[in-house]
Amino acid sequence: GAGVSQTPSNKVTEKGKYVELRCDPISGHTALYWYRQSLGQGPEFLIYFQGTGAADDSGLPNDRFFAVRPEGSVSTLKIQRTERGDSAVYLCASSLNPPGEGRGTEAFFGQGTRLTVV
Amino acid sequence: AQKITQTQPGMFVQEKEAVTLDCTYDTSDQSYGLFWYKQPSSGEMIFLIYQGSYDEQNATEGRYSLNFQKARKSANLVISASQLGDSAMYFCAMRERETSGSRLTFGEGTQLTVNP
Repeated sequence: GAGVSQTPSNKVTEKGKYVELRCDPISGHTALYWYRQSLGQGPEFLIYFQGTGAADDSGLPNDRFFAVRPEGSVSTLKIQRTERGDSAVYLCASSLNPPGEGRGTEAFFGQGTRLTVV
Repeated sequence: AQKITQTQPGMFVQEKEAVTLDCTYDTSDQSYGLFWYKQPSSGEMIFLIYQGSYDEQNATEGRYSLNFQKARKSANLVISASQLGDSAMYFCAMRERETSGSRLTFGEGTQLTVNP
């Protein structure tokens, strides 16, 4: 597809369960980002991949959160032992070029996965 | 201190009129970028416009322009000739090259409503 694709669009899970959220970036985009957006707030940074490697994971809230991008395209965000406070919309974005000045560094977002932990 | 401040939780504008959405930022970096995104009720974040800290001219993209006042640390979004489809949440964001490298820091957003 032309844009960033995220699946599932909605996920309801029970407290304590494990979930995986998938992101398919725009073809050819080398940079991939995960953000989390709580109701009524702006997105908050979680992690940034350049190629296959996590170049900046300083936004991950704790060790229950992990993300991979094994082949440099699709990424999976994994959350273990989910808690009710993890409920939010998880947004994935990609950019053509690595973060920096100038064109090609703007991030294009998917529609997000709404995670609800009950 | 907030990195990005959007002081208008909600704004209303009549169709076909122009509207300005305010954004002020706080950084000690010399190199940074400023972004505006639109988020309709569907949830997708749509990139609108970008301004680099070293750009001397204000950015423009169609009906969107960014009023960049570096000394005042403001980056207001101007939407000309508002349309009903412009009704959405608007977020200002900043990337600080030295301090935070890759991440975008977002404000809390402004909910824009365009009235017919």
